[in-house]
Amino acid sequence: DGGITQSPKYLFRKEGQNVTLSCEQNLNHDAMYWYRQDPGQGLRLIYYSQIVNDFQKGDIAEGYSVSREKKESFPLTVTSAQKNPTAFYLCASSTTGQRTNYGYTFGSGTRLTVV
Amino acid sequence: AQKITQTQPGMFVQEKEAVTLDCTYDTSDQSYGLFWYKQPSSGEMIFLIYQGSYDEQNATEGRYSLNFQKARKSANLVISASQLGDSAMYFCAMSLWFSGGYNKLIFGAGTRLAVHP
Repeated sequence: DGGITQSPKYLFRKEGQNVTLSCEQNLNHDAMYWYRQDPGQGLRLIYYSQIVNDFQKGDIAEGYSVSREKKESFPLTVTSAQKNPTAFYLCASSTTGQRTNYGYTFGSGTRLTVV
Repeated sequence: AQKITQTQPGMFVQEKEAVTLDCTYDTSDQSYGLFWYKQPSSGEMIFLIYQGSYDEQNATEGRYSLNFQKARKSANLVISASQLGDSAMYFCAMSLWFSGGYNKLIFGAGTRLAVHP
């Protein structure tokens, strides 16, 4: 079945460490996104990519980095520069175009905790 | 600025009754899409319903309907005949289209719905 796979489900990071969250999709979607969700709050866009080897900063990109070397994969690295990384991270993908519902599909999320 | 506003942090409803979750949006774009998602405690985002800005009819999907009032920039979700399994966080979202085929989805803060037996 087509979908998005995020791993790991839970991740613990020590102070000063970089960690990478994985996101893989087999939906043949061109666009991929990373969102951050803090408890009781909405989703905020970190980075998004519409095509391979191209990505744009979202609203809260500081302290994060991404790559898009393959259409299927959009890993997110939480760097040591991100001072408050404890949150729930959701990856999504969609088609591109206009006047469509874009078929947004979400992964099941990674819960990152700083220890 | 492009923004989604959900003014109800929490809502309660009796089982089998209808409930309306409010959503207003702000954009100067003519072409956009409006979505509602359900997020249970497990964290997954479940797509409920979509309304395009050019759609003249209100969208419906089973027990969900979207009350789209374009002039007022509102896109309220109506859940009819609430069920205990409807208890969850609900998010209104707007998809914006940019030149070059780019699009992105922005979210409101959410409304937590509790369905009581």
